[in-house]
Amino acid sequence: QKEVEQDPGPLSVPEGAIVSLNCTYSNSAFQYFMWYRQYSRKGPELLMYTYSSGNKEDGRFTAQVDKSSKYISLFIRDSQPSDSATYLCASGYSTLTFGKGTMLLVSP
Amino acid sequence: GAGVSQSPRYKVAKRGRDVALRCDSISGHVTLYWYRQTLGQGSEVLTYSQSDAQRDKSGRPSGRFSAERPERSVSTLKIQRTEQGDSAVYLCASSFDGHYEQYFGPGTRLTVT
Repeated sequence: QKEVEQDPGPLSVPEGAIVSLNCTYSNSAFQYFMWYRQYSRKGPELLMYTYSSGNKEDGRFTAQVDKSSKYISLFIRDSQPSDSATYLCASGYSTLTFGKGTMLLVSP
Repeated sequence: GAGVSQSPRYKVAKRGRDVALRCDSISGHVTLYWYRQTLGQGSEVLTYSQSDAQRDKSGRPSGRFSAERPERSVSTLKIQRTEQGDSAVYLCASSFDGHYEQYFGPGTRLTVT
């Protein structure tokens, strides 16, 4: 079992939809949680990070962490075609352990 | 400001040859990381260094992989005796001291033939 599990998708939604992306992790020592967005042929771009359970909001993006169930979520409101990318969740305590990424396709 | 940069962006190497990949981190960042990204395995950390100390990720590909830090903001990943299984995207990331947010470069796509 990988330490961070993520459904690879692809997840296809129409423009304007609310998107929910999810990960689970197994290592209780993990202290920080991040979401990266990666476009094709580009490096991962840091979207959100948090060090505690609860919600963190930034514009259309909300990151949610539940340490009791070891569950990480990213919500995207009013999704746009430009949100089409692979979303990587990551967690750790010194280096990052990544999920394999979920490909999101937002159609106009 | 300038982000993390990597060179070359693409590298083709014959099996058995050594390669060196360069990373220039964000000014002021202290910790530099190297990750390998493949479709099958996702992204895995290879090694990281905080200032001058180099820490290898135990259990990772072995002594064929090493990283040097010739300057505070520069890291070079060296792969000796490349194998076809080394074909991947090699990502460099950096962070401020005591911060866990890592910022990535665009990656170097290595193809071993």
